[in-house]
Amino acid sequence: NAGVTQTPKFQVLKTGQSMTLQCAQDMNHNSMYWYRQDPGMGLRLIYYSASEGTTDKGEVPNGYNVSRLNKREFSLRLESAAPSQTSVYFCASTPGIYGYTFGSGTRLTVV
Amino acid sequence: GIQVEQSPPDLILQEGANSTLRCNFSDSVNNLQWFHQNPWGQLINLFYIPSGTKQNGRLSATTVATERYSLLYISSSQTTDSGVYFCAGVNTGNQFYFGTGTSLTVIP
Repeated sequence: NAGVTQTPKFQVLKTGQSMTLQCAQDMNHNSMYWYRQDPGMGLRLIYYSASEGTTDKGEVPNGYNVSRLNKREFSLRLESAAPSQTSVYFCASTPGIYGYTFGSGTRLTVV
Repeated sequence: GIQVEQSPPDLILQEGANSTLRCNFSDSVNNLQWFHQNPWGQLINLFYIPSGTKQNGRLSATTVATERYSLLYISSSQTTDSGVYFCAGVNTGNQFYFGTGTSLTVIP
């Protein structure tokens, strides 16, 4: 099925460990995004990539890095995980200014 | 950034009832969207509505851009409408600002 695929779906890390969240879309969308969602809050933008080869910081970029590997893939890396990064992470893509498609999310717990 | 206020924060409806959800923005937006997050966490884009009115089945949305608010109407609610409804807006650039959502529970 066409859409946005995120892996893994669940992850538990120890403080200080690193990991990469993977995201791939097969809709030929130009723009891709990483959001985090914390309890009782809306989504907050971490990083986005308006097109292949470009990335920009969002509202809450500290502690994260991203790579737009090609048009399909946009990964999010936590270099040294902290408990404050416990959250649900969503990847999304869009062809332009509307028509967001979200992945199913990655539930990350940092202990 | 833009402040986005949604009301009410929580809503419980009997199946078949109608409801109106509201979204206020602290600044003008040129791209406004409504999303539904189902009880399993999946986010679905409902409307792209920077101004005017759109309808999709039992859902419709109206944005009054000059007054910086948007309304989402749900008619004849069904249990499958349960979940959290978010609005989000952009004024410049690509960064969407989301509200904290309206949690809707539809009781059979």
